[in-house]
Amino acid sequence: NAGVTQTPKFRVLKTGQSMTLLCAQDMNHEYMYWYRQDPGMGLRLIHYSVGEGTTAKGEVPDGYNVSRLKKQNFLLGLESAAPSQTSVYFCASGRGTSSPLHFGNGTRLTVT
Amino acid sequence: DAKTTQPPSMDCAEGRAANLPCNHSTISGNEYVYWYRQIHSQGPQYIIHGLKNNETNEMASLIITEDRKSSTLILPHATLRDTAVYYCIVRVASGGGADGLTFGKGTHLIIQP
Repeated sequence: NAGVTQTPKFRVLKTGQSMTLLCAQDMNHEYMYWYRQDPGMGLRLIHYSVGEGTTAKGEVPDGYNVSRLKKQNFLLGLESAAPSQTSVYFCASGRGTSSPLHFGNGTRLTVT
Repeated sequence: DAKTTQPPSMDCAEGRAANLPCNHSTISGNEYVYWYRQIHSQGPQYIIHGLKNNETNEMASLIITEDRKSSTLILPHATLRDTAVYYCIVRVASGGGADGLTFGKGTHLIIQP
């Protein structure tokens, strides 16, 4: 039982490049989330999903897209990376709105 | 979700109880109090949550005041590995809260040897 797994753990991009971050959970959770964390700050919600095939915008969605084609996977895409997207990205999943969230260990992204 | 207020930092001696306060004076009747911690930039880790009654698990105890406007997370015997940022979060119970958790800056707890 791996919980929430994020791939890759580290990545360096040049401005304008694209990439996809993968989040996989093996707990059969309906809800999945993508957060970003900048130095000295709390986590901010980018996008979330309440079930397979659904997505919704969070607090800071601009510059990102997401897809939830399979229940266990939630993908976060950057179409044209910018230095402002340098951050640590965390994925989380949960069984329902009154259940705790389980977090992955993050992807550290640097955009130069 | 209601807003929370926490001290930015606290120290505690190893082996002593660490008591972390949280103010949530605008909490609604259908909102839970959740506590998470984040150790050295790892993913946040769930600790405990409660609605009205005090709660205890293997990690910590949660004391919620009768008016629910504040709470205290208690780590009974703090160790160096408990050094982390602790987040107090208020979240609506079932029927809402699909948009996850709203994180503030939390309390940086430093356990001193």
